[in-house]
Order: sequence, then structure tokens, then C-alpha cells
Amino acid sequence: AQSVSQHNHHVILSEAASLELGCNYSYGGTVNLFWYVQYPGQHLQLLLKYFSGDPLVKGIKGFEAEFIKSKFSFNLRKPSVQWSDTAEYFCAVNALTGRRALTFGSGTRLQVQP
Amino acid sequence: DAGVTQSPTHLIKTRGQQVTLRCSPKSGHDTVSWYQQALGQGPQFIFQYYEEEERQRGNFPDRFSGHQFPNYSSELNVNALLLGDSALYLCASSRLAGDTGELFFGEGSRLTVL
Repeated sequence: AQSVSQHNHHVILSEAASLELGCNYSYGGTVNLFWYVQYPGQHLQLLLKYFSGDPLVKGIKGFEAEFIKSKFSFNLRKPSVQWSDTAEYFCAVNALTGRRALTFGSGTRLQVQP
Repeated sequence: DAGVTQSPTHLIKTRGQQVTLRCSPKSGHDTVSWYQQALGQGPQFIFQYYEEEERQRGNFPDRFSGHQFPNYSSELNVNALLLGDSALYLCASSRLAGDTGELFFGEGSRLTVL
């Protein structure tokens, strides 16, 4: 079965600091990869996604993620965070074989201090 | 274009009771998935409905059941509630054609079991 690990449970940064959130998945086959964000009091929203092609994908609000197949990783990055980026971030994977359901990591709570 | 809507937003039940949660998918979507998100955890897949049938199921007991109606809306039923069933229940919709695993989420129904 597929699984997702997010190493950072709670990250505190100052505004303008750089961000990198780790995500590793375990599945031997082809996958689609996602980062979702949950702002306080709001529903889960898609931040970015990787299906194929260029392993560096860009999403909304200046976020990007790099898929490194050899490391089974899909880390999320942002060069300069803002207070409005305070939220919970979830990495998710969908195995293409058998149309398995989207599997989420446990999430990383990001707190950006002004 | 209406997104995914869920009802009720909050509810309180006591152990042993039964609960029904409702979901209307995003316009144009025909597949509904249900997730349970416990406090501090990532969403856990319960099951997925398409063409009014349960297509996939996660590791949840038979106390959790569902239904999908001809208009694609869905219900999640939980019988014999336990304290551990307290969580945010998320409904997500997608379109089977060209399915990539990307889901659109509602704001959830927060269930408290006393």
C-alpha cells in the first residue's frame, strides 16, 4: 500500500524566510503527486500537482515543488514566505495502477510570524 | 459554479447514536470520496462512490456506510458511534473521465461524540 511521510510537523518562520517542507512517499509504481493547503477555517485547496514531465512544478502563490523519483520525494518550497502563508500543508499521492484513492501525509503546520 | 457543499457543518452526538452526513459534489463531477480527518492528522480515506456504488474502501469498519444518489450527491452514515469517531469528515468530488486523482474538497462536517 502507498504511504506518505511528512517530516516536519510544525514549522515556525519569520516573514521573508525561505521555506522547504519535506515529503516522501512509498510506492514502487507511477504516481501523481499533490500538495494541498488548508488555511485556518477554510477547506483543503490544491496548491500544486505533478503528473509527468518537468519535475519542477509551480503552483499558486509562488509555491513550487520538485519531484525526485530516485528519492521518492516531492518537497515543497517557497523563496520568501508571507504571514498569509500560515496554514497546514498536506502532501498526497495517488497511485495510477488500480486507481487507488488519494493518500495524504499527516500534514505540516506552518506558522509565519510578522 | 458551486463547489462541494456539505451539511451539517457541526454536530454533537452521544456514544451509540447514529449520524448521517450529506454532500453535494462540484458541478460536473460524478465521483464522491469521503475522508476522516482527526485532530492533528491528515485526511484518511473512508470510501469512494461512483455510479451509485462503493468502488473503493479504506480501512474503516462496517459501521461506516454510504450512499450515492442519481444526482451524484452522497451520504455518509456512521452507526454505533464511538468517542474515537470524533473528527472532521470531508467530502471530495472528482470526475471519473480523465481521472488524475485531483480532488475538490468541501469544508467538512465536524462531528463531536460525547
